[in-house]
Amino acid sequence: DAKTTQPNSMESNEEEPVHLPCNHSTISGTDYIHWYRQLPSQGPEYVIHGLTSNVNNRMASLAIAEDRKSSTLILHRATLRDAAVYYCILWAGGTSYGKLTFGQGTILTVHP
Amino acid sequence: DGGITQSPKYLFRKEGQNVTLSCEQNLNHDAMYWYRQDPGQGLRLIYYSQIVNDFQKGDIAEGYSVSREKKESFPLTVTSAQKNPTAFYLCASSTDRPYGYTFGSGTRLTVV
Repeated sequence: DAKTTQPNSMESNEEEPVHLPCNHSTISGTDYIHWYRQLPSQGPEYVIHGLTSNVNNRMASLAIAEDRKSSTLILHRATLRDAAVYYCILWAGGTSYGKLTFGQGTILTVHP
Repeated sequence: DGGITQSPKYLFRKEGQNVTLSCEQNLNHDAMYWYRQDPGQGLRLIYYSQIVNDFQKGDIAEGYSVSREKKESFPLTVTSAQKNPTAFYLCASSTDRPYGYTFGSGTRLTVV
């Protein structure tokens, strides 16, 4: 399985944008990039996913490099509720019921 | 509302005893999963099931057992053979795409 590399931790101030990077240099052409986040003492929740083009939804934006070897999750205005562990995960497209492999993720701290 | 229910939230077990963690979903998802999370670590897959009466081992299945007699239910038994069972256990279900993953709120198991 292709692996992802994320910084262990990042910090931000409230109401400022946050850019969470993810490297996936061994990504294959059919791998989808997914982001999940886990709030303290809860199960992870889906944030966003993409294949080649940048994606936006109500929670965040996903910017994917042209060579697809890296991506960035963008939180446009961080709030205290965004403090969580963020996981960047690859899933092989075309595989039914893909098992998600979670790394250690990035711990995001948001300061008031 | 549709979702996944895990019970109990906290569970204490004496060393040498088996214990069963409950996971029920009303999302009509075909696939269900069990993950284990240790402090400061990512999630590790224990077992998964894509269809009733069928399941596969994940990365750390030793010392665990599961059953899938109903689509809605995927209980996990932590047996006495599991050497270090104290952990946070998360159940999830999904459609055939990983952005459809939904997690429960977890069961924190402590061996005393």
